[in-house]
Amino acid sequence: AQTVTQSQPEMSVQEAETVTLSCTYDTSENNYYLFWYKQPPSRQMILVIRQEAYKQQNATENRFSVNFQKAAKSFSLKISDSQLGDTAMYFCALRGSGAGSYQLTFGKGTKLSVIP
Amino acid sequence: DAGVIQSPRHEVTEMGQEVTLRCKPISGHDYLFWYRQTMMRGLELLIYFNNNVPIDDSGMPEDRFSAKMPNASFSTLKIQPSEPRDSAVYFCASSSLPLAGGYQETQYFGPGTRLLVL
Repeated sequence: AQTVTQSQPEMSVQEAETVTLSCTYDTSENNYYLFWYKQPPSRQMILVIRQEAYKQQNATENRFSVNFQKAAKSFSLKISDSQLGDTAMYFCALRGSGAGSYQLTFGKGTKLSVIP
Repeated sequence: DAGVIQSPRHEVTEMGQEVTLRCKPISGHDYLFWYRQTMMRGLELLIYFNNNVPIDDSGMPEDRFSAKMPNASFSTLKIQPSEPRDSAVYFCASSSLPLAGGYQETQYFGPGTRLLVL
């Protein structure tokens, strides 16, 4: 069974500052995919960034980057130059690569508030 | 691309009534997923389809829930009879066959249906 743990239920950051959201996971698969999704108050689930486990290079998407530590099974999200529009719930998710493991397993989420 | 389309966006119904949620996946995607989000349980998978065939329905809470995918562009999730504890946001997501090196394995979510059962 796959598990995803987000240990920070809530976080806050000043506008323009940098914040890091933590995520740890457990899986028995050697290859898998990790994702961060953002859910603003509108409830829409928006993909922020993704990482393939077989790639050592950390993924980056503009102000968003990850620190992927495969041995430690850690996948943290760093948001640089935080903006008010970044206020949202952030979910870490894991998907396997084997047959029958295409569904996402989500963490409980971290509520991020960006303070003006 | 229009993205994943779900309807209705909001549904308020009374206990015991039948509820039908609808989803149109992204064209060309052959995987379709139904998730439910509640405060207590977070996001949980209910069922997913591949090429219109249900692959894993172990997350469906009970016999009151059923899902169908009659064709590649349409799926329904039905609750009959509905109960107050079914109140949640229901998401539909789609993706295409996972291929190494591409973004096909990423699931794209619809806007969700917020269901309230009174």
